[in-house]
Amino acid sequence: DAGVIQSPRHEVTEMGQEVTLRCKPISGHDYLFWYRQTMMRGLELLIYFNNNVPIDDSGMPEDRFSAKMPNASFSTLKIQPSEPRDSAVYFCASSSIRDPTGSTDTQYFGPGTRLTVL
Amino acid sequence: ELKVEQNPLFLSMQEGKNYTIYCNYSTTSDRLYWYRQDPGKSLESLFVLLSNGAVKQEGRLMASLDTKARLSTLHITAAVHDLSATYFCAVDFGGSQGNLIFGKGTKLSVKP
Repeated sequence: DAGVIQSPRHEVTEMGQEVTLRCKPISGHDYLFWYRQTMMRGLELLIYFNNNVPIDDSGMPEDRFSAKMPNASFSTLKIQPSEPRDSAVYFCASSSIRDPTGSTDTQYFGPGTRLTVL
Repeated sequence: ELKVEQNPLFLSMQEGKNYTIYCNYSTTSDRLYWYRQDPGKSLESLFVLLSNGAVKQEGRLMASLDTKARLSTLHITAAVHDLSATYFCAVDFGGSQGNLIFGKGTKLSVKP
């Protein structure tokens, strides 16, 4: 398997523009996670999906952020409008469920998208 | 509150020396992960520790888990420059959350 695929790898945009980040999870994985990493705040979970359904979006910073997973092989994270403070590396990760209690197996991370908002 | 704390956050070592990174967590869990991140790169899974007393070793790194103490350690033996990276522990608190809580990471620098 190619692993988790993210695009674009780098994105530079101007404040106010819409940004869409894309993720293709590992085939067969039923959990998908979006994280944001900054020097100040470290690694933060934004939202995660189970079987394409959003389970917990409490980490999404504000209404400017939205995420979708229309099918098992594709997810998007959209920021509209973007602001300079959104500059960060955004990681997508996927995993498969361990057992019915809900705990998940190892999360495999994509290469990340480095977003710069000017 | 679910919390994962690592220490130290920064570690500068001489090659050939031994050291330990600590990961404490706030409530019951029997599933803990260690990840490595090189500068500008993604996170790579190192170890999965599944139960009390679990010990895993890979090269110069050894990880252990004490669920009673809510503590995991990552021990580095005879450090080499290639081990320079940031190391994260992450805890699966189970239940219905299905997600990991990450520590802030330990940035390790191994100097000749």
